[in-house]
Amino acid sequence: GAGVSQSPSNKVTEKGKDVELRCDPISGHTALYWYRQSLGQGLEFLIYFQGNSAPDKSGLPSDRFSAERTGGSVSTLTIQRTQQEDSAVYLCASSLVPPGLAPYEQYFGPGTRLTVT
Amino acid sequence: GNSVTQMEGPVTLSEEAFLTINCTYTATGYPSLFWYVQYPGEGLQLLLKATKADDKGSNKGFEATYRKETTSFHLEKGSVQVSDSAVYFCALLNSNYQLIWGAGTKLIIKP
Repeated sequence: GAGVSQSPSNKVTEKGKDVELRCDPISGHTALYWYRQSLGQGLEFLIYFQGNSAPDKSGLPSDRFSAERTGGSVSTLTIQRTQQEDSAVYLCASSLVPPGLAPYEQYFGPGTRLTVT
Repeated sequence: GNSVTQMEGPVTLSEEAFLTINCTYTATGYPSLFWYVQYPGEGLQLLLKATKADDKGSNKGFEATYRKETTSFHLEKGSVQVSDSAVYFCALLNSNYQLIWGAGTKLIIKP
């Protein structure tokens, strides 16, 4: 079946502009995660959704970052007033069951490479 | 807090060599442990996992054993191939259900 998809695959934006990154999880997966992969910081957890709710937003680096999920499916990560340090690959993952239940595996999308100039 | 430490790369080996990539962790309790692989130009893929002490995860000839005593989850393969060239990430699932990642180890296999 189809895996996790993300769009766009690449995004170049000017400093100060807002960007929206989209994630389509695997159909039927209840949990959805956003991570950031950057040269200086490695892989960082950003936010996790169970259904449409985000019980854990602790990883969002600043209030310029927000995310929502609708219909228990598609999620959008929004970065307002982008800064150069936001340049990274943004990864989305989904899992069939909520954390704490088995089998627990996260499946990753190919990522969106964001470059802020 | 929770953390994962991996051996720094790149690791360069010849084809058919034995591979070990070290991974140690710091955590409260006994988190589930994972190895993910990222092939060039591709997304992260789960390679193997272990959910409790002494469990051995295995896949595609790779193995890793959850060692509580040494807080380790080293990745091993008996005979590597050029197609195994990739970046390998060790990770743990913390009590807040976040994946905490190691820095990644780039593996280069020469024919």
